[in-house]
Amino acid sequence: DAGVTQSPTHLIKTRGQQVTLRCSPKSGHDTVSWYQQALGQGPQFIFQYYEEEERQRGNFPDRFSGHQFPNYSSELNVNALLLGDSALYLCASSLSGGPNQPQHFGDGTRLSIL
Amino acid sequence: AQSVTQLDSHVSVSEGTPVLLRCNYSSSYSPSLFWYVQHPNKGLQLLLKYTSAATLVKGINGFEAEFKKSETSFHLTKPSAHMSDAAEYFCVVSDPVSNTGKLIFGQGTTLQVKP
Repeated sequence: DAGVTQSPTHLIKTRGQQVTLRCSPKSGHDTVSWYQQALGQGPQFIFQYYEEEERQRGNFPDRFSGHQFPNYSSELNVNALLLGDSALYLCASSLSGGPNQPQHFGDGTRLSIL
Repeated sequence: AQSVTQLDSHVSVSEGTPVLLRCNYSSSYSPSLFWYVQHPNKGLQLLLKYTSAATLVKGINGFEAEFKKSETSFHLTKPSAHMSDAAEYFCVVSDPVSNTGKLIFGQGTTLQVKP
């Protein structure tokens, strides 16, 4: 049973570029959440997708956008990259969301902005 | 607003001695609380969860946590530390207002285990 898979594992971009990160949820899960983890910090919630729609959004600018596909996989897009966007981006999946549903995390994509 | 505070940024123990990682929460509702562990360059692994059932929660790898409403605490313990326990530990509360399972993380506690 495959867990949450993310690609790529590492990525290097320059300021102003755009990036797309990908996530496949754990088998049987239909909800995908994205988190940003800066170095030495706890993860911060970016947004959550359910039924192909953004269900909730954290305190992130519109440069951060996403998408969920019919097979429940998801993409995170970041435009006009800033140095401060350097972080580990984590994808988590769960069954239908909800506060009691544990979320399963992938190993993340390490994004470095030069 | 919901939040968690991890009281120690670093904890160092010797192998074979008990582990205590402290967490206080703030929530206007009956909270759902979790502990996650993160090994270097890896994602987060769920250790245990509290969702208003038994106040003493047993997790994986010998960890357990006790929910104390009167103290608004959810401390993580293990009777005997192993070298493999060295990692970053996060206390997490699930946002009950949005009902989407949005997770709010503490700042993390780095556990060092000395031989």
